[in-house]
Amino acid sequence: AQKVTQAQTEISVVEKEDVTLDCVYETRDTTYYLFWYKQPPSGELVFLIRRNSFDEQNEISGRYSWNFQKSTSSFNFTITASQVVDSAVYFCALSEAKAQKLVFGQGTRLTINP
Amino acid sequence: KAGVTQTPRYLIKTRGQQVTLSCSPISGHRSVSWYQQTPGQGLQFLFEYFSETQRNKGNFPGRFSGRQFSNSRSEMNVSTLELGDSALYLCASSILRENGDTQYFGPGTRLTVL
Repeated sequence: AQKVTQAQTEISVVEKEDVTLDCVYETRDTTYYLFWYKQPPSGELVFLIRRNSFDEQNEISGRYSWNFQKSTSSFNFTITASQVVDSAVYFCALSEAKAQKLVFGQGTRLTINP
Repeated sequence: KAGVTQTPRYLIKTRGQQVTLSCSPISGHRSVSWYQQTPGQGLQFLFEYFSETQRNKGNFPGRFSGRQFSNSRSEMNVSTLELGDSALYLCASSILRENGDTQYFGPGTRLTVL
């Protein structure tokens, strides 16, 4: 069975600090996809990144970066020089190749204080 | 390109009633999935439709049903509403070149059951 664990329920930092959101996943499949979504107070889930199981290259997009390590089944997300606008709930999710279905972690509520 | 749209945005119903929620996917997207979000259970997959056929179903009772039309628009129906059905219902669409393709979410319909 698939499972995604986000152990950090809430994180609060001061603006300009770096912050890392942890994500650990479980799956028996060799082909799978990992995602991060952001949910601001408005409720809509905003897509941030998709990674397939064969691509372990780290990705950087502006202040955001992702570290995918199959050896530890982790897909961590780092925000560098955080800003107040980064405050939201962040979800890590897993999809296996045999079904178009996302399994989500419980989410991490990130608060950036000015 | 317009994003995923969901109507209505807010809904208040009483126990025992039924409700229909609507979702219009991004133009060209052929797969539509539905998710329920509650504080206790988090984000859970309800079902996925492609070419007017339900391909996958989550672990929800038969009171939850859906359908997809030839223009890819989708509706979900909940009959005999219970208090526990109060939730944010999110619809997501994807092109579906393959399973695991990125899902883009709408703003959700917040259902309150009194």
